[in-house]
Amino acid sequence: AQSVTQPDIHITVSEGASLELRCNYSYGATPYLFWYVQSPGQGLQLLLKYFSGDTLVQGIKGFEAEFKRSQSSFNLRKPSVHWSDAAEYFCAVGGGEKLTFGTGTRLTIIP
Amino acid sequence: GAGVSQSPSNKVTEKGKDVELRCDPISGHTALYWYRQSLGQGLEFLIYFQGNSAPDKSGLPSDRFSAERTGGSVSTLTIQRTQQEDSAVYLCASSPDRATNEKLFFGSGTQLSVL
Repeated sequence: AQSVTQPDIHITVSEGASLELRCNYSYGATPYLFWYVQSPGQGLQLLLKYFSGDTLVQGIKGFEAEFKRSQSSFNLRKPSVHWSDAAEYFCAVGGGEKLTFGTGTRLTIIP
Repeated sequence: GAGVSQSPSNKVTEKGKDVELRCDPISGHTALYWYRQSLGQGLEFLIYFQGNSAPDKSGLPSDRFSAERTGGSVSTLTIQRTQQEDSAVYLCASSPDRATNEKLFFGSGTQLSVL
């Protein structure tokens, strides 16, 4: 069965600092991997996705993620966070109709 | 409409009552999904529609939960005899196709509170 682990429930970073959110997955074949962001009171918005090809994928809002098959990881990174990046971030894996989500990482930004 | 619309945005009900949650997907999207987001949990898959049929109902937590979709458009998620553990945000998403979840668009959700 497919599964996603986001080991960090809550992360706090200073504005302007770099960010890395961890995601590990379990999937029987080549996975489709996603990162979504959920701002308070909002629906989920797709940040980026990996299907195949280049293992470093670029997304919206300056985010990127790297697929590492050997580590079953798909970590999300941003070189310099902005206060508006404060939100809940979800990693997801899927290969067909159903996406399986992690439990999310809440990101707090301090001035 | 411009996006996935869910109604109501908030619903407070008493234990034992039935509730209906509605989802209006983006026009032309053939695939529709229901997820549940409980406090401190990830998104839990409930059910998926392709057109009006539901090939995957594996996530429905009990027989108190049911869903239908009519005209390949609007979907209703019904919870009968609600329990306090049903309290959660229920999210709907739609997609132009079912193949890869590539273009999954989420609504803002219905916050259900069972007292």
